[in-house]
Amino acid sequence: DTAVSQTPKYLVTQMGNDKSIKCEQNLGHDTMYWYKQDSKKFLKIMFSYNNKELIINETVPNRFSPKSPDKAHLNLHINSLELGDSAVYFCASSQTGQWYSGTEAFFGQGTRLTVV
Amino acid sequence: RKEVEQDPGPFNVPEGATVAFNCTYSNSASQSFFWYRQDCRKEPKLLMSVYSSGNEDGRFTAQLNRASQYISLLIRDSKLSDSATYLCVVGRGGATNKLIFGTGTLLAVQP
Repeated sequence: DTAVSQTPKYLVTQMGNDKSIKCEQNLGHDTMYWYKQDSKKFLKIMFSYNNKELIINETVPNRFSPKSPDKAHLNLHINSLELGDSAVYFCASSQTGQWYSGTEAFFGQGTRLTVV
Repeated sequence: RKEVEQDPGPFNVPEGATVAFNCTYSNSASQSFFWYRQDCRKEPKLLMSVYSSGNEDGRFTAQLNRASQYISLLIRDSKLSDSATYLCVVGRGGATNKLIFGTGTLLAVQP
């Protein structure tokens, strides 16, 4: 039973389109995240939500709009896709948003977005 | 300069070798420290937390030096299955709770 699941796994789309990525966690965690991993494999946080409330918005263009209908779901909608948006997007969750030794972030399998 | 710096590698080592990865972090407000492992085209997974006193989990030993803002991971008796990217990760608390990832070090264990 997958702990953090995101769909779709692959997404190929044309520039200018609007697309969404969905994420769900069944761990009962309070905090969910979106990370972007670029072509150089660098993982950078985009958003953090705690109990459906936005906690972190890491200066992401406003073409990216996260939505959390409940604490088990965090979706990412992207408007007017650009070539530079091509990357792997990972959803993650953690028990809380506090980082202590021993806490763990669980990641989804990633969505490989290719904008052509 | 990235907040968490690692040697990107690749480290090519024979099976059975001992290999060490180093990592430095720049923000002294960092509170917690981890090593994650990421296999090719997979998601990152927690390998181990890093405690101030150092800690060991089987063939893996992690060390933290807060004064030098330096974290290390030692892998003994490398296995082929250890081939992956190892990510040094720092947790920061306060108003900006988040995990900050290093760029990762690629390890390739050769038969």
